[in-house]
Amino acid sequence: GAVVSQHPSWVICKSGTSVKIECRSLDFQATTMFWYRQFPKQSLMLMATSNEGSKATYEQGVEKDKFLINHASLTLSTLTVTSAHPEDSSFYICSATPTSGVHEQFFGPGTRLTVL
Amino acid sequence: AQSVSQHNHHVILSEAASLELGCNYSYGGTVNLFWYVQYPGQHLQLLLKYFSGDPLVKGIKGFEAEFIKSKFSFNLRKPSVQWSDTAEYFCAVLRLPDSWGKLQFGAGTQVVVTP
Repeated sequence: GAVVSQHPSWVICKSGTSVKIECRSLDFQATTMFWYRQFPKQSLMLMATSNEGSKATYEQGVEKDKFLINHASLTLSTLTVTSAHPEDSSFYICSATPTSGVHEQFFGPGTRLTVL
Repeated sequence: AQSVSQHNHHVILSEAASLELGCNYSYGGTVNLFWYVQYPGQHLQLLLKYFSGDPLVKGIKGFEAEFIKSKFSFNLRKPSVQWSDTAEYFCAVLRLPDSWGKLQFGAGTQVVVTP
């Protein structure tokens, strides 16, 4: 149980285009989903916290207009990287916390974004 | 500001050796503590967690960790490692009650186990 999926697992796009990444909790409902960015050989950096039905809360330094987050249902959150540039190339990981109140995050497999 | 420190960035050891990875945090209130593992090319997996109770917690694959509140530490241990334990290990802290569920991660420790 407690499986989180991400789609796509990898994507290559041209500079200036937008890319949407989906995060789904497959067998539980998630009150909250989190989006992280991981650079090579580095730790996870929290980008934003996404709550179903409300606006996402972004961490300091993260551009909300560039990284659009939508949490339309209790099982789906999306991250759209708008007007992507090469410096946006990274590994994006989502996690989800069950509505049951368990203080544990379940992580997705990540999405490798490469912007040419 | 809260921070999570993992003392070793890289650890290389032989099979059957014992492993201990340090983790310290800098928050004086109540915390939930986690160790995650990321095997090469795979996603983060939970090794073990501490919420309350017995400060010595046992996780999967023979790992255990001890919460020492006075030292703000949550060190990870395994008595005898295997080649398959080669991975990156992350300590994470959830500050209660006001963190809104946000985990603070340490920088990670890359562990390489040689045959």
